[in-house]
Amino acid sequence: EVQLLESGGGLVQPGGSLRLSCAASGFTFRNFAMNWVRQAPGKGLEWVSGISGSGDNTHYADSVKGRFTISRDNSKNTLYLQMNSLRAGDTAVYYCAKDPVSWSGYYSDYWGQGTLVTVSS
Amino acid sequence: EIVLTQSPATLSVSPGERATLSCRASQSFSSNLAWYQHKPGQAPRLLIYGASTRVTGIPARFSGSGSGTEFTLSISSVQSEDFAVYYCQAYNNWWSFGQGTKVEVK
Repeated sequence: EVQLLESGGGLVQPGGSLRLSCAASGFTFRNFAMNWVRQAPGKGLEWVSGISGSGDNTHYADSVKGRFTISRDNSKNTLYLQMNSLRAGDTAVYYCAKDPVSWSGYYSDYWGQGTLVTVSS
Repeated sequence: EIVLTQSPATLSVSPGERATLSCRASQSFSSNLAWYQHKPGQAPRLLIYGASTRVTGIPARFSGSGSGTEFTLSISSVQSEDFAVYYCQAYNNWWSFGQGTKVEVK
């Protein structure tokens, strides 16, 4: 059974940093692209970033480019999102999502339950 | 970047009724369109990909159709467990979500 478990969310001040993790199990992690998607309070889903199965290719939404870094450790079956220079507008539930292929830019067939990030002073 | 517009924002239906959700794209693209169901506090659930291919295990009352700029998700007979928010997503080396349609009890 595919399982994705996000962690690392919490309360952080504007300008601060946070690193999210997503522990994956139930599939061969290195063979599939992964993504981070967020949902701000009362809003819809917004794609944040994606990474290929090998980790060689990464993509970012314009809203986070230069501030967020996606990475993965295929030996630990874990996806990461390093978030720097956080703003109030980054407040959201962050989901990790698995693609059915190794290259990013596809739909996602499994999602985690999400972790809440709150940016506030 | 393709912008997806979903309508209506809220759809009020009674159990057993048919629900039709629309997703319109700002420009024509391939049929790389997916539909997700999202309930509060839960992980989003993939229902349809490739505009019309239903995921294994998804009830047959869910169907997707369309091409070009107009796509539709239909629920033939809404059940109590179907009340949720539904998102369309375009994927083609990039991602774009619609703003969602909430299906609520009438």
